[in-house]
Amino acid sequence: AQTVTQSQPEMSVQEAETVTLSCTYDTSENNYYLFWYKQPPSRQMILVIRQEAYKQQNATENRFSVNFQKAAKSFSLKISDSQLGDTAMYFCAFMKSQGAQKLVFGQGTRLTINP
Amino acid sequence: GAVVSQHPSRVICKSGTSVKIECRSLDFQATTMFWYRQFPKQSLMLMATSNEGSKATYEQGVEKDKFLINHASLTLSTLTVTSAHPEDSSFYICSASPAEGAQDTQYFGPGTRLTVL
Repeated sequence: AQTVTQSQPEMSVQEAETVTLSCTYDTSENNYYLFWYKQPPSRQMILVIRQEAYKQQNATENRFSVNFQKAAKSFSLKISDSQLGDTAMYFCAFMKSQGAQKLVFGQGTRLTINP
Repeated sequence: GAVVSQHPSRVICKSGTSVKIECRSLDFQATTMFWYRQFPKQSLMLMATSNEGSKATYEQGVEKDKFLINHASLTLSTLTVTSAHPEDSSFYICSASPAEGAQDTQYFGPGTRLTVL
């Protein structure tokens, strides 16, 4: 079974700073997808960024980028120029590329951006 | 963009009653829908996967007779919590995977807060 681990329950940074959220996972699969989701106080899940395991290039979406280390099974999220609206719970998630499209979530990291 | 709605957004019921939660894909057809449960300050736990026209697949430890799932059309899945008890109080979230497009895509509903008195 796949597991996803986020070792930082909470993080706090000042506005405009850069912050990196950690995520590691365990799987025997070779092809899979990795995601970072954001859950603001509204509790609506929002996709931040996705990475396909067979792609070596790290995904980027504006201020959000990942550091995907397949051999180390690590998938960290970097938020640059952090904004107050980035305050939320962030969940790392794993999905196998074959079979049922189940998402396996990490425990989450509560990120607070301070003014 | 793809929108998934849930109804009701919050519900309070008495212990022993049944509650139905609807999940609708508003502008796309969803072959697969997923139901998650989220306790306060915790992560999302997958309860079951439902495919249109077939029986749902439940995760280990989830009582299928207690959490009835029906996926009668390509735009609607329902979760019925039968004989609800206070320990069933939680935040229930659905997601939908479109029939067309990237197979890894899931769009999430806004969630339903269930409180059982």
